[in-house]
Amino acid sequence: DQQVKQNSPSLSVQEGRISILNCDYTNSMFDYFLWYKKYPAEGPTFLISISSIKDKNEDGRFTVFLNKSAKHLSLHIVPSQPGDSAVYFCAASVLWGGADGLTFGKGTHLIIQP
Amino acid sequence: DGGITQSPKYLFRKEGQNVTLSCEQNLNHDAMYWYRQDPGQGLRLIYYSQIVNDFQKGDIAEGYSVSREKKESFPLTVTSAQKNPTAFYLCASRVRRGRGTEAFFGQGTRLTVV
Repeated sequence: DQQVKQNSPSLSVQEGRISILNCDYTNSMFDYFLWYKKYPAEGPTFLISISSIKDKNEDGRFTVFLNKSAKHLSLHIVPSQPGDSAVYFCAASVLWGGADGLTFGKGTHLIIQP
Repeated sequence: DGGITQSPKYLFRKEGQNVTLSCEQNLNHDAMYWYRQDPGQGLRLIYYSQIVNDFQKGDIAEGYSVSREKKESFPLTVTSAQKNPTAFYLCASRVRRGRGTEAFFGQGTRLTVV
């Protein structure tokens, strides 16, 4: 049973436009969420995170929004650049208590079109 | 430079053989993790360790074993009992459990059973 879901396997966006990647979770114990970017045959690199006490966190071109009531988060990339083409993973964890480790979604392949 | 080093990058194993994947970190992180990635799948947790000489099973521990004799090192052994060992293996570390911090990943090891 998937606890973190990324329902779009791929997303194509024109360069300069906004990319919106979505993620849903089912485990109400999750209270810390992260986004990672991954290129083929490389390890994921951390992009941005948000804890459940916030509903928005911004870092440069990247903004993560959290809607706790809907158990939904999204990553906005503005403006999208060619180097943003990669697989993006949403991950969740429990800050205190519970099993350790990050639970990942299956990823969304973002393709930035010139 | 601080980071996580996985070796080797590519590994070939004959069926029925055990093989050990190396993971070393110099970030002084307490927690270390092993994940497995299969095509079209997210990252799935194999084993994790919060402290030296202690480790816990993750979601897919069957056919794998680990040790944590030193803080810096968390090797993963893929045993002959693992039915589908061909995958991309990722090691990660984190400051410690219960903290709102990201996990840092190594560059991965691609294991192929021939």
